[in-house]
Amino acid sequence: QVQLVESGGGVVQPGRSLRLSCAASGFTFSSYGMHWVRQAPGKGLEWVAVISYDGSNKYYADSVKGRFTISRDNSKNTLYLQMNSLRAEDTAVYYCAKDRRPKDMTPSNFQHWGQGTLVTVSS
Amino acid sequence: DIQMTQSPSSLSASVGDRVTITCQASQDISNYLNWYQQKPGKAPKLLIYDASNLETGVPSRFSGSGSGTDFTFTISSLQPEDIATYYCQQYDNLQYTFGQGTKLEIK
Repeated sequence: QVQLVESGGGVVQPGRSLRLSCAASGFTFSSYGMHWVRQAPGKGLEWVAVISYDGSNKYYADSVKGRFTISRDNSKNTLYLQMNSLRAEDTAVYYCAKDRRPKDMTPSNFQHWGQGTLVTVSS
Repeated sequence: DIQMTQSPSSLSASVGDRVTITCQASQDISNYLNWYQQKPGKAPKLLIYDASNLETGVPSRFSGSGSGTDFTFTISSLQPEDIATYYCQQYDNLQYTFGQGTKLEIK
């Protein structure tokens, strides 16, 4: 079955960097677009970024554009989120999610989710 | 950016009740609308995709309808295990937006 396991969260000071990882298994990782979605404590869901199945296309929410970078290593079945210039408002649980649509179809939804990793930005 | 207005923000209903949640998009999104269920402390779960398609393994009491700007999510007969927060989500031009969520409680 599909399994997504995030890691790399923790407490970080404002302005610093952090890299999240998401290890995928149970499906052909290289055939699906992948997303990062976050949820601030007690708040709703916010999409962060998407990457195409082959890593050639990447899109970001305006709130993180220029600060966060999504990437993937299909040889390692792993998704990444490099977060730079972190702010207090980036504090959230970060989920990686597999899109439902394969390969050349436009990513559309979040079919499978990891358990999330908490990032706290605080001095 | 497309905004999603979801209502109500909270809802209290009895077991067996029919429950309806609505989501309105700020512009036409065709059928590019999905619904999720999130239980406390858990990751969200996809229930309905492309407005009206039931995800594999999801009970048939859940359904979705609509197109354009107005969408509806329905639970035909509320069960105790349906207590959760529900979110709509649109996708357009590789940008994705969630509604504010509807917290569903048992009366």
